[in-house]
Amino acid sequence: AQSVTQPDIHITVSEGASLELRCNYSYGATPYLFWYVQSPGQGLQLLLKYFSGDTLVQGIKGFEAEFKRSQSSFNLRKPSVHWSDAAEYFCAVGRLFGNEKLTFGTGTRLTIIP
Amino acid sequence: NAGVTQTPKFRILKIGQSMTLQCTQDMNHNYMYWYRQDPGMGLKLIYYSVGAGITDKGEVPNGYNVSRSTTEDFPLRLELAAPSQTSVYFCASTDTGGGYQPQHFGDGTRLSIL
Repeated sequence: AQSVTQPDIHITVSEGASLELRCNYSYGATPYLFWYVQSPGQGLQLLLKYFSGDTLVQGIKGFEAEFKRSQSSFNLRKPSVHWSDAAEYFCAVGRLFGNEKLTFGTGTRLTIIP
Repeated sequence: NAGVTQTPKFRILKIGQSMTLQCTQDMNHNYMYWYRQDPGMGLKLIYYSVGAGITDKGEVPNGYNVSRSTTEDFPLRLELAAPSQTSVYFCASTDTGGGYQPQHFGDGTRLSIL
């Protein structure tokens, strides 16, 4: 069975500092990987996705993520965070078996301090 | 674009009452999903549907029912509300055309059972 681990429950970063959110997955085949962001009281918005090809993927809002098969990781990064990046971030893995189901990690809550 | 629309946004139920959470999408997506989100637990799949007339159980289906009579609508039914069903419920949809596509989420329904 597929699974996703986000080891950091809560991260606090100063505005302007760099950010890395960790994600490790367990899956028997080539995974389809996603990062979603959830602002308070809102639904989930897709930041970026990895299906195949280039292992460094660019997303919206200046985010990027790198797929590392050898480490089973898909960490999210941003060079300089803005106060508006404060939110909860979810990593997810999908499988292509005709139902496109996703398995989500438990999320990382990001706090930005001035 | 409306996308995925969920109603109501908030609801308080008494134990034993029943209700239907509504979900409508206007993107002509084949696949639709219901998740529940509990603090620190990420999103868990309740039920999903791969097309009108076809539904299947996810990870946590007990206490819920669904139907899919049209492509657009995917209502979630709680028959006998229990305190354990207090949660935030998200509906999502995706299209399978052209390969694996990300899921689009509604803004959620916040449900309290007292």
